[in-house]
Amino acid sequence: GQNIDQPTEMTATEGAIVQINCTYQTSGFNGLFWYQQHAGEAPTFLSYNVLDGLEEKGRFSSFLSRSKGYSYLLLKELQMKDSASYLCAVEYSGGYNKLIFGAGTRLAVHP
Amino acid sequence: GAVVSQHPSRVICKSGTSVKIECRSLDFQATTMFWYRQFPKQSLMLMATSNEGSKATYEQGVEKDKFLINHASLTLSTLTVTSAHPEDSSFYICSALAETVYNEQFFGPGTRLTVL
Repeated sequence: GQNIDQPTEMTATEGAIVQINCTYQTSGFNGLFWYQQHAGEAPTFLSYNVLDGLEEKGRFSSFLSRSKGYSYLLLKELQMKDSASYLCAVEYSGGYNKLIFGAGTRLAVHP
Repeated sequence: GAVVSQHPSRVICKSGTSVKIECRSLDFQATTMFWYRQFPKQSLMLMATSNEGSKATYEQGVEKDKFLINHASLTLSTLTVTSAHPEDSSFYICSALAETVYNEQFFGPGTRLTVL
């Protein structure tokens, strides 16, 4: 079956660093996306990993280990506006670039 | 970046009526669009894949006669919730597949459907 696990909630302090983990078990694997979603809004693209290793984009970095079925999203220099849900999504071998999403991690950033 | 719009953003309807939601890719063509629903504090669940010029493919457990999908052109897909009931109340989000480096999906802003 298809399964993606993420922590439900996390809290962090403004200016700090937070790591959001994601483990997955899917039928085939074509790549892994991280999306940010503010309440009541659509998800917005943050990062994409297809090969093992770290991808860095400004304050956000994402890591992938295909052999372990594991990824993490690293957010640095946290800002209040980073309070949102972070969705891990796997593109699996189902045709038409289908994505299966994790339940999302709600991050609350406090002053 | 690519922009996807959805209309309406919010709709309230009576039980038994039908509701149509439009999804448009504004600045690119999309052969493939996706329809998701999201319940509060839950993740996106794929309902169906909308393919321009052919029938939509539905995920297991999604009633194709209840959720009618029409991909009329390369920039427009519509989802019609037929004979809506309160349990259909949800946040419906569409996405359009863009031929980018990542072949990523760009999401619409979502439609909040409330069935009374």
